[in-house]
Amino acid sequence: NAGVTQTPKFQVLKTGQSMTLQCAQDMNHEYMSWYRQDPGMGLRLIHYSVGAGITDQGEVPNGYNVSRSTTEDFPLRLLSAAPSQTSVYFCASSLLPGRGYEQYFGPGTRLTVT
Amino acid sequence: AQSVTQLGSHVSVSEGALVLLRCNYSSSVPPYLFWYVQYPNQGLQLLLKYTSAATLVKGINGFEAEFKKSETSFHLTKPSAHMRDAAEYFCAVSKPDLSGTYKYIFGTGTRLKVLA
Repeated sequence: NAGVTQTPKFQVLKTGQSMTLQCAQDMNHEYMSWYRQDPGMGLRLIHYSVGAGITDQGEVPNGYNVSRSTTEDFPLRLLSAAPSQTSVYFCASSLLPGRGYEQYFGPGTRLTVT
Repeated sequence: AQSVTQLGSHVSVSEGALVLLRCNYSSSVPPYLFWYVQYPNQGLQLLLKYTSAATLVKGINGFEAEFKKSETSFHLTKPSAHMRDAAEYFCAVSKPDLSGTYKYIFGTGTRLKVLA
């Protein structure tokens, strides 16, 4: 049981490049989400999904796309990287949050955009 | 109003001293409340959670938190700090938005430093 896995661990992009951050979970969780963590700002929700084929925007969705074709995978796409997207990105999964279930987090991807 | 407020972005305590990290929430319905810990260069892991059972919740590593509805607080405590407790701590709430969809909302975090 690997839990939540994220790849890559580190990435450097030039402004304007695109890339996909991968996230997978093996716990059969319906709910998956992407956060970015910036100093002094805690974790901010980018996008989330309540099941395969269903995604929605979080607090800071601009510049990011997601899809959920399977229960296990929830990739995050940066369309045209900007320096403001330099951050640490975390993927998390849980059972549906309406009953107090906790989230399980991946180890994070540290992204630098130059 | 912020859904989750953590007072003090940095807290320092001496080894062996009481740890108190503060968290206040706002919610029109009974929320679910969580404390997570993040060690350097790692993801977050759950310390404890409140789901409307006992108001005093015990977690891992000797931490506990008490849900106080009248004060809208869920402060995290540990009687005696260890060096290994140095980390960043996040309070989080799960509550419904205007459409009724439950989401998790995180506080801005408190970095705990333990002094030898």
